[in-house]
Amino acid sequence: DTAVSQTPKYLVTQMGNDKSIKCEQNLGHDTMYWYKQDSKKFLKIMFSYNNKELIINETVPNRFSPKSPDKAHLNLHINSLELGDSAVYFCASSQERPDEAFFGQGTRLTVV
Amino acid sequence: AQTVTQSQPEMSVQEAETVTLSCTYDTSESDYYLFWYKQPPSRQMILVIRQEAYKQQNATENRFSVNFQKAAKSFSLKISDSQLGDAAMYFCAYRIPYTGANSKLTFGKGITLSVRP
Repeated sequence: DTAVSQTPKYLVTQMGNDKSIKCEQNLGHDTMYWYKQDSKKFLKIMFSYNNKELIINETVPNRFSPKSPDKAHLNLHINSLELGDSAVYFCASSQERPDEAFFGQGTRLTVV
Repeated sequence: AQTVTQSQPEMSVQEAETVTLSCTYDTSESDYYLFWYKQPPSRQMILVIRQEAYKQQNATENRFSVNFQKAAKSFSLKISDSQLGDAAMYFCAYRIPYTGANSKLTFGKGITLSVRP
């Protein structure tokens, strides 16, 4: 059983389109995250939800909107995609203690 | 703000030899966690080892061990008996153990480790 699963694994789309990435965790964790890994492999937090409540919202364009229908799911919707949005997006989940984060396999988004 | 620094962008090790990857961090907290994550070409993020700041004993997981120097804010990873499968990017990460606006993982820039056969 996959602990944290994201779909799709690859996403190629044109500029200006709207797309969504879905994430589900079956670990019973309370907290879920979206991280962005850029072309230089740098990982940066975008959002975090705890029990469906948004607790971290880093400086991210408002074209990015996370949604958590329940604590096992955290989706990322991106409007009006731009070339600079091309990156790998990771979903992750954790508990407070022990609190290592478990990551999904990542979604490679390519905007053309 | 917490920062994590990995100053070496690349390292290389001969198979079966030992290599040490460096990491320093900056924080004003006394209770926190430190992690090393491995990212192979498959891009999956895999937890290698974790250290709790209040524990003085260095964490060990099979061939992987850390040298945690709390006063110096240093957290290096030692890989013994290096194997070809150890070739990957390694990220040092920091997090405080609370739920809230500061509960994010902060990553270093990563280091690419290659293993020579």
